[in-house]
Amino acid sequence: AQKITQTQPGMFVQEKEAVTLDCTYDTSDPSYGLFWYKQPSSGEMIFLIYQGSYDQQNATEGRYSLNFQKARKSANLVISASQLGDSAMYFCAMRVHNDMRFGAGTRLTVKP
Amino acid sequence: SQTIHQWPATLVQPVGSPLSLECTVEGTSNPNLYWYRQAAGRGLQLLFYSVGIGQISSEVPQNLSASRPQDRQFILSSKKLLLSDSGFYLCAWSEGSEKLFFGSGTQLSVL
Repeated sequence: AQKITQTQPGMFVQEKEAVTLDCTYDTSDPSYGLFWYKQPSSGEMIFLIYQGSYDQQNATEGRYSLNFQKARKSANLVISASQLGDSAMYFCAMRVHNDMRFGAGTRLTVKP
Repeated sequence: SQTIHQWPATLVQPVGSPLSLECTVEGTSNPNLYWYRQAAGRGLQLLFYSVGIGQISSEVPQNLSASRPQDRQFILSSKKLLLSDSGFYLCAWSEGSEKLFFGSGTQLSVL
C-alpha cells in the first residue's frame, strides 16, 4: 500500500529566506508521481510542482523546487525567497496509477 | 478550458439526515474523479475515486457512498449522517496520471 509521510506539523521561516518542507513516501510500484499542493486559509488546493519517478532532473517551478532523492524515498519541497503570501498548509501527495494519496500536511508561517 | 463545480459551499445538517453533494466537470471527457475529506487542520483522506461511469473505488468503509451517473458528474451521498461525517469535502478531477484539479470544497457540519 502507498504511504506518504510529512513529519513537520508546523514550520516557521523568515521572510526572504529559503525553507525546506519534508516528505517521504513508500510504494513498491516503480512508476509513480509526486506532487506538492498549497492550501491557503480559503481552502482551495493550489498545485505547485510535480516529479515523476523516472525523471532524472529535480523539478523546478519558479521559487519552488523539489529535492527528489529516490533511494531515500524523499521528495522535499524547497521554497526560496519566502514571501508573506507563502503562509499556508502544504501537502505532499503521491500518485500510483489512479490512486492519489496525501500526507498530513505542514503549516508554514512566514514571519516579516 | 476545463472547470470543476462543487456545491454547496457550506452545509449544516442534523444527525441522521441524508446527504447529497454534487460535483461536475466541464471541458473534458472521461476524467478521473475523486472525493476527499479533510478534518479541521488535517490532511486529505481519499474517500472514493472513479475512472469511468459506474466505476467506483471505495477507500474507506463508512456510511458514505459515491455514484457517477454521467461521465462528468460525481455524487457523494449518505442515507444517515453521523457526527463524525463533519468535515471539508473536496472533489477533484484529473486526466489520466496528471495532477488533480480541485473544486472549491463543501464545509459540512453535522449537528
